[in-house]
Order: sequence, then structure tokens, then C-alpha cells
Amino acid sequence: QKEVEQNSGPLSVPEGAIASLNCTYSDRGSQSFFWYRQYSGKSPELIMFIYSNGDKEDGRFTAQLNKASQYVSLLIRDSQPSDSATYLCAVSPGGFKTIFGAGTRLFVKA
Amino acid sequence: KAGVTQTPRYLIKTRGQQVTLSCSPISGHRSVSWYQQTPGQGLQFLFEYFSETQRNKGNFPGRFSGRQFSNSRSEMNVSTLELGDSALYLCASSTTGTSGMDIQYFGAGTRLSVL
Repeated sequence: QKEVEQNSGPLSVPEGAIASLNCTYSDRGSQSFFWYRQYSGKSPELIMFIYSNGDKEDGRFTAQLNKASQYVSLLIRDSQPSDSATYLCAVSPGGFKTIFGAGTRLFVKA
Repeated sequence: KAGVTQTPRYLIKTRGQQVTLSCSPISGHRSVSWYQQTPGQGLQFLFEYFSETQRNKGNFPGRFSGRQFSNSRSEMNVSTLELGDSALYLCASSTTGTSGMDIQYFGAGTRLSVL
């Protein structure tokens, strides 16, 4: 079992729709969870981070964390073509390292 | 505030050679992590440094090594290059890296091609 799992996609949604990206992790002791966006040929950039169970909203983005189910998700409302990218879920289990999922490719069709 | 700076941006080497990559973190950041990114494996953790000490290391062979200087700048070295070492090498810096609560900021990366 991979430490951080994501559906590789591609996930295709029409412009204006809600995109839902999911991630599961194996280490129950993990405390910090991050979503990064990576455009083709570019480096990852942080979108959201979440530490507590529940939802955290920032503009069009909502991160959801359920530690009991070891599940974290990212919702993108009113998806735009510029949101087309690979989204990386990252988990910090402690020990001064961060584990990244393989990423989900998102395509937003105009 | 300047971001994370990685040099060089591109490198072409041949099998058996060695290579050194450099990373200058954001001013004030003392933790530097290195990652290897390939299409097949995604982002793989190499190692993390803080105050010139390696605090964690990923599952890579001993050919991969790194160090951090007193000014927090870091270098990683790959010796006896193999074709499979072709990848994007990313450096990320954070304030302290303590317990993973810190946010990591990535540099633009160094793309290494091994021929």
C-alpha cells in the first residue's frame, strides 16, 4: 500500500463545475496535510493546508479532512480552464519529511 | 523576498559522471528538503537538512548525498550517474520543518538528463 494514494486521473470537468480531488494516507499519526498545484513544466505551489478535522475554505478552494477515515479531499468550485494542472496531495507524518501522492491530473473544459 | 533558487536549471551528463546541484532557500528558512520527480514515480523524498544536519533520508542509494552550509544553502550530489537518475530535482525550503507543520516552498527545479 502506498503511503499517500491519489487517483491519477485525468479528471475532466466542464468550466463552472465543481472538481473533487481525493487522497488517502496510511500513517494514522499524520498531522499535517497539504494540497499543491503543479502546472506542466513548473514546480509545485501550495494551494491549501489543513491540520484539523473538518472543512477549510479559501476562495474557490475547500479542503476537507477526516482523520478517522484517513482521507483528505480538495474541492474546487466554479472550475476555470486555468485550474487545469496536476494536484498533489502531501502528508507530513512527522520525522521531518513530507510524503507526496503521485498527483491527479485535472482538465477543465471551456 | 526572493524565492527558493536552484542552479543550474538544466544539466546533461553521461552515465558514470557525477553531478552537484545547488539550492538557496528563502531568506530566514533553515530547513531544506530535496525531492526527485519522475513521470513514473512522482515526487520522491530524498533528504531533509536543518542547521547543517541531515534529519531524515528517503529510500535512495548511497550515490545520492547532500549537505547544508551554515548560511542554509544546500547542495546535493549524485555520483556514478545512471540513466534512471534522469529526473526533475526539486528543492523546498521551510522555516523550521518542525513536525511537518511548516509549509514548504519549492524552487523551479533542476532538470537532469543522463545520456
